[in-house]
Amino acid sequence: LAKTTQPISMDSYEGQEVNITCSHNNIATNDYITWYQQFPSQGPRFIIQGYKTKVTNEVASLFIPADRKSSTLSLPRVSLSDTAVYYCLVVNNTNAGKSTFGDGTTLTVKP
Amino acid sequence: NAGVTQTPKFRVLKTGQSMTLLCAQDMNHEYMYWYRQDPGMGLRLIHYSVGEGTTAKGEVPDGYNVSRLKKQNFLLGLESAAPSQTSVYFCASSFPPGTAVYEQYFGPGTRLTVT
Repeated sequence: LAKTTQPISMDSYEGQEVNITCSHNNIATNDYITWYQQFPSQGPRFIIQGYKTKVTNEVASLFIPADRKSSTLSLPRVSLSDTAVYYCLVVNNTNAGKSTFGDGTTLTVKP
Repeated sequence: NAGVTQTPKFRVLKTGQSMTLLCAQDMNHEYMYWYRQDPGMGLRLIHYSVGEGTTAKGEVPDGYNVSRLKKQNFLLGLESAAPSQTSVYFCASSFPPGTAVYEQYFGPGTRLTVT
């Protein structure tokens, strides 16, 4: 299993760009990286997925270096409603049981 | 389209009692999962299923059993509840890994307290 490590918490202010990095040193060739967002008393919600280089969608970007041992979720111009816990999840392409959530990063956006 | 639903939303059990949590999805997903989330912690996979009639152990399977008799339903059972099983339980479903976007859809959770 590819164990993931994230910062426990981060603070930011409205309008700033936030970058959350996840370390996954023992990632395998057929693993890819996904990120989820979780609000209190709700289930996690998918944000973005990537394998290498850069992926962008309407809410976030995901940067993955060539060695794939880490990944960075970038949230542009955060607002108060982005306050949540963000999880990095390394997913095995052939075995769903080998996917593990880390402990997540609590992002607090201040006015 | 309800997505993933879980029944019940809350439950209090006494030590030694049994119960079953029901998860249902209407997205025709092959894969289904049961996770537990303890306060301030991430999600840990209990059991999962890759299709109707199949189940497999995840990271923390002890004390739980599961069944997937129908594609749309995934049941989680506790035969003899213990205080250590006090947690929030989340069900999720997805298409298989390797599809274009591997996204797990989560239910709203069941908050279980064992006294």
